[in-house]
Amino acid sequence: DAMVIQNPRYQVTQFGKPVTLSCSQTLNHNVMYWYQQKSSQAPKLLFHYYDKDFNNEADTPDNFQSRRPNTSFCFLDIRSPGLGDAAMYLCATSRVAGGGETQYFGPGTRLLVL
Amino acid sequence: GDSVTQMEGPVTLSEEAFLTINCTYTATGYPSLFWYVQYPGEGLQLLLKATKADDKGSNKGFEATYRKETTSFHLEKGSVQVSDSAVYFCALSDPNQGGKLIFGQGTELSVKP
Repeated sequence: DAMVIQNPRYQVTQFGKPVTLSCSQTLNHNVMYWYQQKSSQAPKLLFHYYDKDFNNEADTPDNFQSRRPNTSFCFLDIRSPGLGDAAMYLCATSRVAGGGETQYFGPGTRLLVL
Repeated sequence: GDSVTQMEGPVTLSEEAFLTINCTYTATGYPSLFWYVQYPGEGLQLLLKATKADDKGSNKGFEATYRKETTSFHLEKGSVQVSDSAVYFCALSDPNQGGKLIFGQGTELSVKP
C-alpha cells in the first residue's frame, strides 16, 4: 500500500544534541510537510516543501531545519534540542498544495529530550 | 488570520449514542474543510472533507455539512461505537495560503460500552 513512513517511531536525545527525524513516502506526492504536535494540542506546521521549494513558517524557530534530497524523502533536523522541543513530529504529504487537497499523515515520531 | 474553533472535550458517550462535535471557522477566502481523526499513539487520518458551501462529507457513518452562512462544519454520527474513541480535529485549508492546514484544538471522544 502507498503510504507515509516515519522512522524512528520513538527517539530519545539529550539536551543540545542534534537529532534527525526521517520521513519517506511511496505516494509520489509533490508536497511534504512537517508538523509539531505537543501533548493535547493541535498539530502546528513547521515548514513544507513543494518539490524542491522550501517554505518556512514565520514562527518556526531557527533551530529547526529540513532537507528534501529527492521526491521520496524528507528530513527534519533539530540542531540543538531543548526540553521544549519534546513533542510528536508528524510528516504529511499531498499531491499538490491546493486548498482542497487531502494531506496524508505518517504515524509520527515521538521525541523525548533528556 | 484564519482560525478554527472546536467544542472542548473530553466528550464521553455511551455506545450507540448520538454524537455532535461543533466546529466553526474564520477565513478570509473560501476554504476547504476537513475532519481528521487521531487514534492513541498514531498519526492523523482523514475522516471526511468538503470543498465548497453546502457540500456534505461522509465516511464510516460520520457526516459534516459545510455551512457558509454559519461558518460551521459540525461532525455528527448517529450511533457511536467504542472503536470511535479518539481525538477529532477540525481543520481548514485556505487556497490563498498554499493549502496549509489550520487545525482546531481537537476534541477527545471516549465511548463507553
